[in-house]
Amino acid sequence: DQQVKQNSPSLSVQEGRISILNCDYTNSMFDYFLWYKKYPAEGPTFLISISSIKDKNEDGRFTVFLNKSAKHLSLHIVPSQPGDSAVYFCAEGGSQGNLIFGKGTKLSVKP
Amino acid sequence: EPEVTQTPSHQVTQMGQEVILRCVPISNHLYFYWYRQILGQKVEFLVSFYNNEISEKSEIFDDQFSVERPDGSNFTLKIRSTKLEDSAMYFCAAGTSGYNEQFFGPGTRLTVL
Repeated sequence: DQQVKQNSPSLSVQEGRISILNCDYTNSMFDYFLWYKKYPAEGPTFLISISSIKDKNEDGRFTVFLNKSAKHLSLHIVPSQPGDSAVYFCAEGGSQGNLIFGKGTKLSVKP
Repeated sequence: EPEVTQTPSHQVTQMGQEVILRCVPISNHLYFYWYRQILGQKVEFLVSFYNNEISEKSEIFDDQFSVERPDGSNFTLKIRSTKLEDSAMYFCAAGTSGYNEQFFGPGTRLTVL
């Protein structure tokens, strides 16, 4: 059974500080992971991905870290901005290209 | 930047009625997907579509669901006889390969009464 777990339903961070969003997965067969951001009444927006051959991928303020031995990945946002306030979904690439999503973490960045 | 578009944004229907949800994927994308999100729950995969046929479907995608790409641009999801539990946000997504990021449309909110 493929499962992606985001155990923190919410996170509150001060503007300018680092936001760290965490995700655990159970099935290590598949070789890429993604983070999406979602605002209310909009579809998920792709942020950043990482292949299992890497342990880190960086794009501007966003960095994703992959720890394969722990089956854990995290998204770091630094510095956090109020516009980053949204729900963040971790996703795993499935066997047929479908994405398996976690339940999401609602990030609130306070000015 | 090209976007995936979906229509309608909100559809209200009576239980037992048929609905068709429409999507226009990004033109150079070849892989198409439907997902749904019931309020308060995860985004769930329904079906993937490539080369004019279904490549994978989940357990949710039973006989009441169907997909097609009738004219080479629109990608549709049909629910033949809607049930109350079909009420959800339905997202269309598209990608350039089967193993890469997918780009999502804004969603259609389906309300079954």
